[in-house]
Amino acid sequence: DAGVTQSPTHLIKTRGQQVTLRCSPKSGHDTVSWYQQALGQGPQFIFQYYEEEERQRGNFPDRFSGHQFPNYSSELNVNALLLGDSALYLCASSLTAGSSYNEQFFGPGTRLTVL
Amino acid sequence: GQSLEQPSEVTAVEGAIVQINCTYQTSGFYGLSWYQQHDGGAPTFLSYNALDGLEETGRFSSFLSRSDSYGYLLLQELQMKDSASYFCAVTSNYGQNFVFGPGTRLSVLP
Repeated sequence: DAGVTQSPTHLIKTRGQQVTLRCSPKSGHDTVSWYQQALGQGPQFIFQYYEEEERQRGNFPDRFSGHQFPNYSSELNVNALLLGDSALYLCASSLTAGSSYNEQFFGPGTRLTVL
Repeated sequence: GQSLEQPSEVTAVEGAIVQINCTYQTSGFYGLSWYQQHDGGAPTFLSYNALDGLEETGRFSSFLSRSDSYGYLLLQELQMKDSASYFCAVTSNYGQNFVFGPGTRLSVLP
């Protein structure tokens, strides 16, 4: 049973560029959440996708957008990159239907460096 | 807004018991989760409390008091492999929104 996978593992971009990160959820999961984790800090919730729609959003600007596909995989897009966007981007999958607490399974993350 | 507080660092010796506290301020509280993250790794789920009381899972236990907006993670029979960062996370909006605390770095000494 494959867990959550993310690609790429590492990425280097320059300011102003755009980036797309990808996530495949754990088999059987229908919900994908994205987080940004700066070094030494806790993950910060960006948004959550369910049934191909953004269901909830954290305190992130519109430069951060996403998409969920019919197979439940998801993409995170960041436009006009800033130096402060350098972080570990984590994808977490969960099952909404019938869940009382939405245990999340995290992928290994994508380390984004903006120069 | 939503905020969580945890101690930044805790140190203990192998075989000991350690308690990591978490206090929170949030609207629409649904439950409190705990996650473990080793350096360079992804967070892994440890436990969840939606109701007041103690939940036990092996060497780990988690407690919640909704009236006090407080919870803790209790780790017993500490092992070297327990050295990691531990995060509490509040779930709100019927499980649709997660807010993580700043994390507690646990160092287990021989």
